[in-house]
Amino acid sequence: EDQVTQSPEALRLQEGESSSLNCSYTVSGLRGLFWYRQDPGKGPEFLFTLYSAGEEKEKERLKATLTKKESFLHITAPKPEDSATYLCAVQAESGGSYIPTFGRGTSLIVHP
Amino acid sequence: GAGVSQSPRYKVAKRGQDVALRCDPISGHVSLFWYQQALGQGPEFLTYFQNEAQLDKSGLPSDRFFAERPEGSVSTLKIQRTQQEDSAVYLCASSLDSSRETQYFGPGTRLLVL
Repeated sequence: EDQVTQSPEALRLQEGESSSLNCSYTVSGLRGLFWYRQDPGKGPEFLFTLYSAGEEKEKERLKATLTKKESFLHITAPKPEDSATYLCAVQAESGGSYIPTFGRGTSLIVHP
Repeated sequence: GAGVSQSPRYKVAKRGQDVALRCDPISGHVSLFWYQQALGQGPEFLTYFQNEAQLDKSGLPSDRFFAERPEGSVSTLKIQRTQQEDSAVYLCASSLDSSRETQYFGPGTRLLVL
């Protein structure tokens, strides 16, 4: 069974204080790993897709990296508007299933 | 429209009532997914369509839940005889196709069963 564990559950940062969010996964062959941002009362907003170990993607203050066991979402010099819940999801290669498995998310609060 | 839309955004139902939740996917997107998200949790898969075909409904929690996409575009999730445990946010997502494609989510329908 595919499993996704995100840590920490909650993170409070001061504006400008860089940090990383972790997504550990167990899957029988990785088709893709996805990062989403979710604001209160809204649906998840797509950030990145990573397909293979060693891959990295960046967008503004966010950088996502991938290994064979985990992914990190690095936030550099965060701003209050980066406050949100960050969700990680994995899609397995085997079995023909296209159903992603989501983690419970990391709730990030950035204080001014 | 540019994104996935869902209606209604909020629904309050009395226990035992039937509800219908609508999803309009991004135009041209072949795949459509329904998820249930409880407070503080990640989205949990309910069912998946490729065009009008429902290819996986393994996540539907009971036979009170039913989904359809008759013309391969708009989809409706129906919950019969609602129970309090059905209270959650119901999210719809669409993707261009299902293989390695990013899913784009709608804003969700927040269902409260009293």
